[in-house]
Amino acid sequence: GNSVTQMEGPVTLSEEAFLTINCTYTATGYPSLFWYVQYPGEGLQLLLKATKADDKGSNKGFEATYRKETTSFHLEKGSVQVSDSAVYFCALSRQGGSEKLVFGKGTKLTVNP
Amino acid sequence: DTAVSQTPKYLVTQMGNDKSIKCEQNLGHDTMYWYKQDSKKFLKIMFSYNNKELIINETVPNRFSPKSPDKAHLNLHINSLELGDSAVYFCASSQGRTSGRQYFGPGTRLTVT
Repeated sequence: GNSVTQMEGPVTLSEEAFLTINCTYTATGYPSLFWYVQYPGEGLQLLLKATKADDKGSNKGFEATYRKETTSFHLEKGSVQVSDSAVYFCALSRQGGSEKLVFGKGTKLTVNP
Repeated sequence: DTAVSQTPKYLVTQMGNDKSIKCEQNLGHDTMYWYKQDSKKFLKIMFSYNNKELIINETVPNRFSPKSPDKAHLNLHINSLELGDSAVYFCASSQGRTSGRQYFGPGTRLTVT
């Protein structure tokens, strides 16, 4: 079945540090890949997405590249801010049919000033 | 202008009671979802409706019954509440049944005592 594996958290960084959150997936066919972010006390928001191999999604300084050869979609940001503190979820949606999002377990990021 | 709203935001109740959570979206979407997020932030889909038709029904106890009176509303009724039902429940919506871009509500924190 389809699944998403994220690096275990929590991750604690100082402001302006480089961030990487690893995500790998298992899926049949060619899934679409997503990163969602959940700020404290809120629902999830789409951060970025990629729908085919080698696509790069980007938003708010975050980037992730769809790597079919390594079945990965790692999230990166060059310089994190305190306001980036949140839980980050990697997810996939298999194309076609009545689809659902399959989420990873989430990675909590805390950025200290 | 809240896109996806849920009521109530907090719900504290005793074991054995019956309760409902309501969800409304004003985005004009035709697909709505219910998710359960446990204390470890793990997010799992429960149900999905497309144009008032149930399209996803995960392995959920039949004490949980979704109802969609129209495309803009998806309510969740829970009978005979148990301690293990304590979680945050998120409603979400999307345009189309195969869209991975979903818009989440703020969540309802259910505590069963």
